[in-house]
Amino acid sequence: DVKVTQSSRYLVKRTGEKVFLECVQDMDHENMFWYRQDPGLGLRLIYFSYDVKMKEKGDIPEGYSVSREKKERFSLILESASTNQTSMYLCASSLSGSGDGYGYTFGSGTRLTVV
Amino acid sequence: GESVGLHLPTLSVQEGDNSIINCAYSNSASDYFIWYKQESGKGPQFIIDIRSNMDKRQGQRVTVLLNKTVKHLSLQIAATQPGDSAVYFCAETPNFNKFYFGSGTKLNVKP
Repeated sequence: DVKVTQSSRYLVKRTGEKVFLECVQDMDHENMFWYRQDPGLGLRLIYFSYDVKMKEKGDIPEGYSVSREKKERFSLILESASTNQTSMYLCASSLSGSGDGYGYTFGSGTRLTVV
Repeated sequence: GESVGLHLPTLSVQEGDNSIINCAYSNSASDYFIWYKQESGKGPQFIIDIRSNMDKRQGQRVTVLLNKTVKHLSLQIAATQPGDSAVYFCAETPNFNKFYFGSGTKLNVKP
């Protein structure tokens, strides 16, 4: 019954490494989002995409990039991981349009630790 | 920018009691609101939603109330159970393309 899948639940990476976080949804949603979640700061939007090969910066894009080559897959890339990127990363998807049921469906999250 | 906040960061209730979690929002143009539940180590899960043309919507044991005059949203959980212990977020959107989230309220249910 899993609809938004994040490839890893836990990751430990070293400072300076290039890190890929993968997200796949099977609901044919147009919109996909990457958030990070930190205590006291809530969910902060990193990047989002409304269509294949399309991407938009969110509120905190610095140090991150994204890739959306296929509709169902949205990848978050940490170009050179730093300790301040240690966080819980949440992927979400949604239908394009308006109405009941057009909210986000979230993945289970990836807890990334950069050492 | 958007601002969605919660009045109480932590709420403790006795098992069996009713819980009320509150949320304030700042954008009067917001048209759609959702409550999410996030259990420890998991992603947020949809609980209930409401459109701005409604002031109340009921689900199974949950009710969402919307007061557009004061830009206030609340989630009521009837007969709170230990399984309801989680962090609850409200989210709002003016255009359905992007949602804005509060920082969350942690609900502790005491047996």
